[in-house]
Formats: sequence, C-alpha cells, structure tokens
Amino acid sequence: NAGVTQTPKFQVLKTGQSMTLQCAQDMNHNSMYWYRQDPGMGLRLIYYSASEGTTDKGEVPNGYNVSRLNKREFSLRLESAAPSQTSVYFCASSVPGQETPFFGQGTRLTVV
Amino acid sequence: QKEVEQNSGPLSVPEGAIASLNCTYSDRGSQSFFWYRQYSGKSPELIMSIYSNGDKEDGRFTAQLNKASQYVSLLIRDSQPSDSATYLCAVLPSSGGSYIPTFGRGTSLIVHP
Repeated sequence: NAGVTQTPKFQVLKTGQSMTLQCAQDMNHNSMYWYRQDPGMGLRLIYYSASEGTTDKGEVPNGYNVSRLNKREFSLRLESAAPSQTSVYFCASSVPGQETPFFGQGTRLTVV
Repeated sequence: QKEVEQNSGPLSVPEGAIASLNCTYSDRGSQSFFWYRQYSGKSPELIMSIYSNGDKEDGRFTAQLNKASQYVSLLIRDSQPSDSATYLCAVLPSSGGSYIPTFGRGTSLIVHP
C-alpha cells in the first residue's frame, strides 16, 4: 500500500518553463489537495478537489492549474514557472469529514 | 479568516524532559484537531488526533484540548533526540461544508542529549 505518491521528487526549472507535478493515491480517498511549503510560511493550500470532477482554489492559486484526472490522480501544472514558485510541494488526500490529510513525500522544485 | 497560531520556536529541551507544544485557534466551533510531526526534508506525518475536551494519551504523547479556551497542546514525555522535528497543529472547521484543515506554521522542537 503506497499511500500518496508524487513524481518527481526533485526538479529544477528555468524561468518560463512549464511542468506538471503528478500525484496518485491508492487509498480510495475522495478529497485531494496540493500544498506548498516555504520557510516560515507553513503549509499553504494551492488547490483542492473534493471529489472526482471538481476542483477549487485554495489560498495561493495564482500561477497554477490542476486536473483531477480520476479518483486516484490529481496533477498540478505550472504553465510559466517563476522564481517565486521555488518551494516544496506536497500532495495529500483524505476522506472528507473523517480524516485529516495524508501527505505524499513531496516535490522539491527550484526555479532559476 | 480562520487562524491557527503556534510559537515557531525553537523549543529546546534536554533529553528525558517533557516537551510542551501549544496551539490556539480562532474558529470557536471547530471539532477536530490534529498534530503532525515533520522531520527536516520529509513530509508531515499524523501523530495524534483529538476531538473531545480533555486529554488523549498515546505512548509518550498526550494531546490536550480545551475548547472553551480554544487551545490544544501536545506533551511529549521522556523526550528523545529522535523527537527533534517541527510539529504542526491542524484544525478542521466546524461548518460550511468545507473539510479543508487549517494548519499552523509549526513549532520547531530540539531535544539535546
């Protein structure tokens, strides 16, 4: 049982490049989340998906797009990366109302 | 705006001592409270949950909840150097159909030998 799996684990991008962070969970959870974590800022919600086919903006959605491909997968896309998007990105999933999120291992992204 | 406040620390305690980590929250109707541990370079890991006023014990960890004071704490007894990590408090909102937790910024704990 892998839980929440993120790919890649590390990535370096040049300013203006695009990329997609992948996330998949095998716990049959309805809700999935994307967070970013920066020093001194804690975890900030970028987007979440309460169920397959729905997505909603979180606290810091600008510069990002998401796709809930199916119940298992929730991807995060940076269309034109900026140095301000250098961060550690965490995907998480949960059963709404029953549990707090379980986190993937994270993606460390550097934009130069 | 729902807020969860934690002292960023670092909180430094000697090995074998009790570490006390505190968290306050603004949403008076919140019902569910969680503590995560995050080692440097790793993802947050859920270690405790508490839903009712009072204490909940799990091994060396005790979570304490006081809804009247909007205060939740985590006690770590017999602290070990392996407990050195950042501890995040998370609170689930009370209503509105949203099950999005609000996280505090975390308290860094250092347990020195």
